[in-house]
Amino acid sequence: SQQGEEDPQALSIQEGENATMNCSYKTSINNLQWYRQNSGRGLVHLILIRSNEREKHSGRLRVTLDTSKKSSSLLITASRAADTASYFCATDGSNYKLTFGKGTLLTVNP
Amino acid sequence: NAGVTQTPKFQVLKTGQSMTLQCAQDMNHNSMYWYRQDPGMGLRLIYYSASEGTTDKGEVPNGYNVSRLNKREFSLRLESAAPSQTSVYFCASSGGYNEQFFGPGTRLTVL
Repeated sequence: SQQGEEDPQALSIQEGENATMNCSYKTSINNLQWYRQNSGRGLVHLILIRSNEREKHSGRLRVTLDTSKKSSSLLITASRAADTASYFCATDGSNYKLTFGKGTLLTVNP
Repeated sequence: NAGVTQTPKFQVLKTGQSMTLQCAQDMNHNSMYWYRQDPGMGLRLIYYSASEGTTDKGEVPNGYNVSRLNKREFSLRLESAAPSQTSVYFCASSGGYNEQFFGPGTRLTVL
């Protein structure tokens, strides 16, 4: 069963706009990760945020974590056509396992 | 460094045939994983190996077996393929409670 649930399932924006994706999860976590998947490719790690962190930045990415609401958001600023991909959140479990959500498909139109 | 490699990239099987998907990593990671990805389902964990010499079932292990051959290699075997196993299979490795590194995937079709 999926621990993380991304919202929305699909998002279409224009180049230069910001994109925000949300992730909700059910049980307590040590960390939450975000991954990107380009069509037909393997997943690529974007950012990890620990349960004692509230916000983290990496380039044009900003991730927030609210453990009281069991939710996280990924913000991509000034989006580019190359950001078109599926984005997944993943929560950690026992034995170094991750549980992935079903993903948000982001389309950035030139 | 090649990272995580998977073979083959594509495979077509008939129902009842068997095959082994190979995975290798050169990052000296302890943990390795096999996932399947189906449309609209995200990634689901089939089996994982937290360290060399150990393997455990994930969310959807039925119809699969695994072997952690050594620290580098983790193979996934389908003994008698079924159409429900048509999917894209990803191998990943990790150094612990950190990021996972994914291979390019194997697209399997079972007729």
